[in-house]
Amino acid sequence: LAKTTQPISMDSYEGQEVNITCSHNNIATNDYITWYQQFPSQGPRFIIQGYKTKVTNEVASLFIPADRKSSTLSLPRVSLSDTAVYYCLVGDVDSSYKLIFGSGTRLLVRP
Amino acid sequence: DGGITQSPKYLFRKEGQNVTLSCEQNLNHDAMYWYRQDPGQGLRLIYYSQIVNDFQKGDIAEGYSVSREKKESFPLTVTSAQKNPTAFYLCASSALAGGPRKETQYFGPGTRLLVL
Repeated sequence: LAKTTQPISMDSYEGQEVNITCSHNNIATNDYITWYQQFPSQGPRFIIQGYKTKVTNEVASLFIPADRKSSTLSLPRVSLSDTAVYYCLVGDVDSSYKLIFGSGTRLLVRP
Repeated sequence: DGGITQSPKYLFRKEGQNVTLSCEQNLNHDAMYWYRQDPGQGLRLIYYSQIVNDFQKGDIAEGYSVSREKKESFPLTVTSAQKNPTAFYLCASSALAGGPRKETQYFGPGTRLLVL
């Protein structure tokens, strides 16, 4: 059963870069790593997904080392609206359909 | 306007009552999922369906039932056997029901269920 470990919470200030690291020691060979963002009382929203090395889109970057046992979500120049819970997900090694949600990382961005 | 819709936004259940939460998607996705989220917690999988007329139990299926008669619809019934149903319920869908675990799940806005 693939599991992820993330920091429970992080604080930052507007304009700073935030890096959230997730460990996933038991990730399957063909698994991708996906990050979601969730605001209170809303459904999670897809941020970024990657398999190895580095992926970048308009909102974030994802860094994955060669051993793929961890990944780091990087949010450049955060704003107050980035205050949310961030989840790192990998698949369940026993099922190709199940995703494992941990408790996520609560990011608080201060003015 | 494509996406996943859930209704109602809030639902109140009386003791011993069954209630049904609606989930509809127009993304032409094969797979659909139901999750439960308790305050301050991550999401836990209740049921999932890969194709029409087929579904599997997730990690916390007891006290819940589902049906998948149409590709675009995956209603969840919270039965009276679910003794602690107060939670935020999220429906999701993804394009492919198999193969590499790359398919992104897209979530609806959620239904908050409260017990009277």
